Amino acid sequence: DIVMTQGVLPNPVPSGESASITCRSSKSLVYKDGKTYLNWFLQRPGQSPQLLTYWMSTRASGVSDRFSGSGSGTYFTLKISRVRAEDAGVYYCQQVREYPRTFGGGTKLELK
Amino acid sequence: EVQLQQSGAELGKPGTSVKLSCKVSGYNIRNTYMHWVNQRPGKGLEWIGRIDPANGNTIYAEKFKSKATLTADTSSNTAYMQLSQLKSDDTAIYFCAMRNWDYWGQGVMVTVSS
Repeated sequence: DIVMTQGVLPNPVPSGESASITCRSSKSLVYKDGKTYLNWFLQRPGQSPQLLTYWMSTRASGVSDRFSGSGSGTYFTLKISRVRAEDAGVYYCQQVREYPRTFGGGTKLELK
Repeated sequence: EVQLQQSGAELGKPGTSVKLSCKVSGYNIRNTYMHWVNQRPGKGLEWIGRIDPANGNTIYAEKFKSKATLTADTSSNTAYMQLSQLKSDDTAIYFCAMRNWDYWGQGVMVTVSS
C-alpha cells in the first residue's frame, strides 16, 4: 500500500498570513498519462471532507484561488494564501494512483 | 443539485450487523464509483472500498474484506454498505463519496455497544 505522510503546521497561523501543508507518498503518484493522482481535502469541524484539489494542482469547482497545490511525484504542498477563519480544520492528502486508496494522517490548521 | 443522503445513526450490539444506505439525488449512480470511508472518533480518514454500481464490481481495502459488503441498487439510485460481526472498534462515522470525491454524504455514526 502507498503510505501518505503529512507534516505538522506551526499553529496557530495569523489570519491573513500564508500556510503551507506538506504531504509525502511512499511511491510516485505519477501515472502513465502524465497526471499526478493526488487529492487534497479540508474537513471542517463536524462536517464531511471537501475536495479542494485533484491531479495535484487542479482546483475543484467553487474552490477559492487562495488554495494552490504543487509538488513532484512523491512530495506535495498545499499552499493557502491569506488564511481566513473559514480555512480552519483538518487537511488531508489522498493518493488515487492505485488501490487501496490511502489518506495522510491529517494536518490541523488553527487560526490566531 | 447533487445530494447524497445517508441513513440515520446506528447503535449495534457486538457480533451483529448493520446496513447503511446512501441515497443519491441529482445524478445517476451508474455513471460513477461509490466509495466508503470511515473516521474513528478523533482520528483520520480511512478508505473502506468502492463499488461500480453499473456492474456491481467491488474493491476493498484488505482489512475490510471480511467486514464490509458493498452493494448498489440502480433502480433507487442508492448505495449500501453492510458491516458484519460488529466490534467496539467499528465505532466510527461512515461516509459515502462519489464523482471523484467531489460529493460526500453527511456521514452516519455507528456505535457498537452492548
